[in-house]
Amino acid sequence: DAKTTQPPSMDCAEGRAANLPCNHSTISGNEYVYWYRQIHSQGPQYIIHGLKNNETNEMASLIITEDRKSSTLILPHATLRDTAVYYCIVRNQGGKLIFGQGTELSVKP
Amino acid sequence: KAGVTQTPRYLIKTRGQQVTLSCSPISGHRSVSWYQQTPGQGLQFLFEYFSETQRNKGNFPGRFSGRQFSNSRSEMNVSTLELGDSALYLCASSSPGQGSNMNTEAFFGQGTRLTVV
Repeated sequence: DAKTTQPPSMDCAEGRAANLPCNHSTISGNEYVYWYRQIHSQGPQYIIHGLKNNETNEMASLIITEDRKSSTLILPHATLRDTAVYYCIVRNQGGKLIFGQGTELSVKP
Repeated sequence: KAGVTQTPRYLIKTRGQQVTLSCSPISGHRSVSWYQQTPGQGLQFLFEYFSETQRNKGNFPGRFSGRQFSNSRSEMNVSTLELGDSALYLCASSSPGQGSNMNTEAFFGQGTRLTVV
């Protein structure tokens, strides 16, 4: 499974968009990009995943570059409850999730 | 639909003992994976079961084992507990996928917090 690189921490003002970057330069053609988040001591929560095209759901948008070597998770209007560790993971079909250290997002009032 | 249920939520055991943790997946999900989370190592994959067979295995010693039953419920067992086994143990379930899209999201339970003293 490809490795991912994320900044260790980021701040965001409440109500603004949070843009969380992820590099996955060694991703292969059949690997998907997944995003999860974990609020302290709870189980990770699925956010979104995609292969090539940009994806949007009720929680977030996922923008994947054309060469698929990086992606950005966008939380359009961050709230205090979005404060969490965000994990970007690449995963092949049916493969295991390999978690890195993630990005600790702090949403501030 | 009920989520992934892990029992017990908290457990305290003594070094040398063994422990069994249980995971009930979301109804209809046939894949169950287990993860260990510690402050030092983060979230690490233990193993995955699908239709009662181990499909993937992480890099953990043989003291860590698991199984899956015909109703997809899974258990993991840790024998001869060590202090370093203190961790949050997480279980995730996923559906089998449909057609060419076998890449489905995994849903996590709240975990079992194991403390070894």
